[in-house]
Amino acid sequence: GENVEQHPSTLSVQEGDSAVIKCTYSDSASNYFPWYKQELGKRPQLIIDIRSNVGEKKDQRIAVTLNKTAKHFSLHITETQPEDSAVYFCAAWPPRIKAAGNKLTFGGGTRVLVKP
Amino acid sequence: NAGVTQTPKFRILKIGQSMTLQCTQDMNHNYMYWYRQDPGMGLKLIYYSVGAGITDKGEVPNGYNVSRSTTEDFPLRLELAAPSQTSVYFCASSYSVQNTEAFFGQGTRLTVV
Repeated sequence: GENVEQHPSTLSVQEGDSAVIKCTYSDSASNYFPWYKQELGKRPQLIIDIRSNVGEKKDQRIAVTLNKTAKHFSLHITETQPEDSAVYFCAAWPPRIKAAGNKLTFGGGTRVLVKP
Repeated sequence: NAGVTQTPKFRILKIGQSMTLQCTQDMNHNYMYWYRQDPGMGLKLIYYSVGAGITDKGEVPNGYNVSRSTTEDFPLRLELAAPSQTSVYFCASSYSVQNTEAFFGQGTRLTVV
């Protein structure tokens, strides 16, 4: 099954600076890479996703890059704001849950703190 | 639309007790999932369902059971609660595994004492 590692586990940035979170995965069959944001005490919510046939995707201040050869992908947040403070989870999923060994799990999470 | 609704929000169980966590969605999603999130950790899949009448184990199914008699409902049953089951439980649903958002319920914070 897939194994997703996420780094760093915590990230503190000054407001206005950029934040980068990196994930690596093990299964070359994975072809869908979503990112979820979880604010304190709340539910995870999808913020951006990318498929394996695309190298980069942007949505306003957030972007995701994917390197399939190296099996790693990253989340970039530019011009960070206090409301970006949250835990961010990556995932690397194959077309079917069975192909993931019935795991379909997320990375360990990155706690981002944006200091005003 | 209410989205994904979980009940209860909080619960304290004594060791050995049983309970059912309720989950219902009104988006007509075929896929439904139960995850647990331990403090400071990521989400681990307990059970999932790809449609009414079809369920399968996830990564951490021991101590839990599920059923899916309708498209809308996906209850999670805990039998003989143990302290190791203290966690936050999230139910989620999606149209498919890929390219579509998984919508999460608000979570159930369960403490076993």
